[in-house]
Amino acid sequence: GDSVTQMEGPVTLSEEAFLTINCTYTATGYPSLFWYVQYPGEGLQLLLKATKADDKGSNKGFEATYRKETTSFHLEKGSVQVSDSAVYFCALRVGGATNKLIFGTGTLLAVQP
Amino acid sequence: EADIYQTPRYLVIGTGKKITLECSQTMGHDKMYWYQQDPGMELHLIHYSYGVNSTEKGDLSSESTVSRIRTEHFPLTLESARPSHTSQYLCASSDSLGTGDSYEQYFGPGTRLTVT
Repeated sequence: GDSVTQMEGPVTLSEEAFLTINCTYTATGYPSLFWYVQYPGEGLQLLLKATKADDKGSNKGFEATYRKETTSFHLEKGSVQVSDSAVYFCALRVGGATNKLIFGTGTLLAVQP
Repeated sequence: EADIYQTPRYLVIGTGKKITLECSQTMGHDKMYWYQQDPGMELHLIHYSYGVNSTEKGDLSSESTVSRIRTEHFPLTLESARPSHTSQYLCASSDSLGTGDSYEQYFGPGTRLTVT
């Protein structure tokens, strides 16, 4: 079945370091892919998305490219800030009428000043 | 800006009590979802709804029940709370008319439930 495999955390970085969080997926067809972010004590917020191969989603300095050949959607940011500390979830949309999402296990990012 | 609300944000309750977690959205979305989030962060879909009077069980079995009498409202009920129900519960909604085929889900802030 469809699944998402996400890099385990926690990831601890110093401010201004480069961030990569790996995400790979297994799915039939061509799913839409998402990165959601969850700040402490809050619900999930959509960070970025891509709906077809080679699309690049971007927002707030974060980027991810939909790579069909490697079934990947890695999240990157060139220079992280303390305010980026949160849990990041990779997800794919299951095809069909339900709009169901399948989430990865989440990666905790801690950025130190 | 997502307009989806959950109440209460935090609830501590004793074993055996009946509880209802409220979820409302003002976006007119037809699809709504309930997720249970482990302390280890993983999200599990426990219920979803296609629209009014339509509800389905999710991927993770749950003793909770849901109803969808109005488009904007999707409450979750536990008839008899137990310590094993202690978790974070997240509500979400999405539109059938997704932009660019993305059909993104919008999430509420969550309810953190503790059953003692």
